[in-house]
Amino acid sequence: KNQVEQSPQSLIILEGKNCTLQCNYTVSPFSNLRWYKQDTGRGPVSLTIMTFSENTKSNGRYTATLDADTKQSSLHITASQLSDSASYICVVSPYSSASKIIFGSGTRLSIRP
Amino acid sequence: GAGVSQSPRYKVAKRGQDVALRCDPISGHVSLFWYQQALGQGPEFLTYFQNEAQLDKSGLPSDRFFAERPEGSVSTLKIQRTQQEDSAVYLCASSSKGFGNTEAFFGQGTRLTVV
Repeated sequence: KNQVEQSPQSLIILEGKNCTLQCNYTVSPFSNLRWYKQDTGRGPVSLTIMTFSENTKSNGRYTATLDADTKQSSLHITASQLSDSASYICVVSPYSSASKIIFGSGTRLSIRP
Repeated sequence: GAGVSQSPRYKVAKRGQDVALRCDPISGHVSLFWYQQALGQGPEFLTYFQNEAQLDKSGLPSDRFFAERPEGSVSTLKIQRTQQEDSAVYLCASSSKGFGNTEAFFGQGTRLTVV
């Protein structure tokens, strides 16, 4: 079982609409949780980073939340734009290891005009 | 350079051929990571360098995979006797410290196709 699971696997929404992507993890304890955006053919780019004690972090139209009790995180995108079409990856850094961070499989988001 | 640079961007290799993938990290970044990303999947850890020292190579799938960073800057990932299951995007990332709480920057990746 993957230690970081994301849902949905893919999502299509209309431009201007909001959406929420989910991440469930079993990694514990963890140092931080990040959300990355990966455009097709590009490397991942960091959107947000939260330590275990933080509940929310915003970056423009992106807002990440973290519930350490239920081991869930979400990424909310407001007023979606065509350029938001990408894969969004949840990444958890175990407390015990600086290198073996764990990536989810990502949610493939497509924005339609 | 301004960002992490990887070369080549695309590589097609015949099965059995050796390949070498290059990563130029951001200048001054001590940590360098290699990941393998299969189509439709998240990246999976391969190996980690702190300066020239390879501190963790537990993610390398077989002894056909070898990575080095001899002078603590540029890194090369070498795959010997490539097989079809090696086809993937190979991502390199660097950070000023360990991945920890510091920002890590990714290159665009090298897409390897083994035919």
